[in-house]
Amino acid sequence: QVQLVESGGGVVQPGRSLRVSCAASGFSFSRHSMHWVRQAPGKGLEWVAFISYDGNNEYYADSVQGQFTISRDNSKNTLYLQMNSLRPDDTAVYYCVRDSDPAQLGIFDYWGQGILVTVST
Amino acid sequence: DIQMTQSPSSVSASVGDRVTITCRARQGISSWLAWYQQKPGRAPKLLIYGASTLQSGVPSRFSGSRSGTDFTLTITSLQPEDVATYYCQQANSFPLTFGGGTKVEIK
Repeated sequence: QVQLVESGGGVVQPGRSLRVSCAASGFSFSRHSMHWVRQAPGKGLEWVAFISYDGNNEYYADSVQGQFTISRDNSKNTLYLQMNSLRPDDTAVYYCVRDSDPAQLGIFDYWGQGILVTVST
Repeated sequence: DIQMTQSPSSVSASVGDRVTITCRARQGISSWLAWYQQKPGRAPKLLIYGASTLQSGVPSRFSGSRSGTDFTLTITSLQPEDVATYYCQQANSFPLTFGGGTKVEIK
């Protein structure tokens, strides 16, 4: 079965960097585009970043453009999110999400359990 | 960016009631719309995509429809396990955007 397991979260000071990872299993990782979606405490869902199945295309939310970088290693079935210059308003649960593409691009058909990133002194 | 406006923000209904949630896109998105269910403390789950196609394994009491830029999620007979927050999301173009969510509770 499809599994997406995030790791690397925790508490980080403002201005510092953090990289979260997502280990994928149970499907052909190299054939699916992937996303990161976040949810601030008590708030709604916010799409963060997209990477195509081959890593050649990336898109970002305006709120993280130039600050976050999404990447993937298809040989390790792993998705990454490098977060730099973190701010308190980046505090959220970060979800690793599989795109249903090639069925339909932009639909989130499987979600990880989420990892909490807290930006605080 | 395509703004998605969801209403109501919360609804309280009795078991067996029909519940309707609406999502309006600021501009045309064809049928590139999905609905998700998020139970407390859990990750969201895909319910419907393409505005009206039920994801595999989702109970048939859930349905979706489209009229222009207005989209509707209907639960025909509310069950206790349907207590959750529901989100719409447009998949027409980047940046992908969600509605603000609708919290469904049992009266």
